[in-house]
Amino acid sequence: SAVISQKPSRDICQRGTSLTIQCQVDSQVTMMFWYRQQPGQSLTLIATANQGSEATYESGFVIDKFPISRPNLTFSTLTVSNMSPEDSSIYLCSVANGTALGSGANVLTFGAGSRLTVL
Amino acid sequence: AQKITQTQPGMFVQEKEAVTLDCTYDTSDPSYGLFWYKQPSSGEMIFLIYQGSYDQQNATEGRYSLNFQKARKSANLVISASQLGDSAMYFCAISGSARQLTFGSGTQLTVLP
Repeated sequence: SAVISQKPSRDICQRGTSLTIQCQVDSQVTMMFWYRQQPGQSLTLIATANQGSEATYESGFVIDKFPISRPNLTFSTLTVSNMSPEDSSIYLCSVANGTALGSGANVLTFGAGSRLTVL
Repeated sequence: AQKITQTQPGMFVQEKEAVTLDCTYDTSDPSYGLFWYKQPSSGEMIFLIYQGSYDQQNATEGRYSLNFQKARKSANLVISASQLGDSAMYFCAISGSARQLTFGSGTQLTVLP
């Protein structure tokens, strides 16, 4: 399965600043996703990062707040813009692994996450 | 839209005993997949087991088995012979036509020595 490197692994940020999280995969993958996990909560999908086109955002997430780049099939970035304490979360990059399963689903492999604390 | 419901915020089990973690789902997709992930305190997401909606047999992976009851829309995870290292948060998730996963709220499992 794919190996994902995410950085930074953690950071402490000041209110109003922006931070870019990088996700590097050791193989070409078609589907790449960004998730957020707020403290003590489940994972929520932010967007699907599309190579060569704009990301597809889920309800409640907008490009101005979470701009995403996907310049090639092995790399993506997520920027958290104009941060507030409510943005303190773990942000996880994930990719769909290899062959589709019986239902057409794919196992998602996750990066180790980027734990952001906004003061 | 897809939805996963995990009604057990926390569960305790004695070491070497079996435990069942509940998961119910709702989806409008005719074909879907159900997943269980484990998240230890370190934070990484570890894939455990998968069940396809058309699979006739319940999935098994080592000590993990998935009790899939399609009519009841449930996909419970059974962990046999619990170990201390099984203490973690467990998430049930569903994947449909859009391929991304929708996660439940999770169950914190604590294995007691």
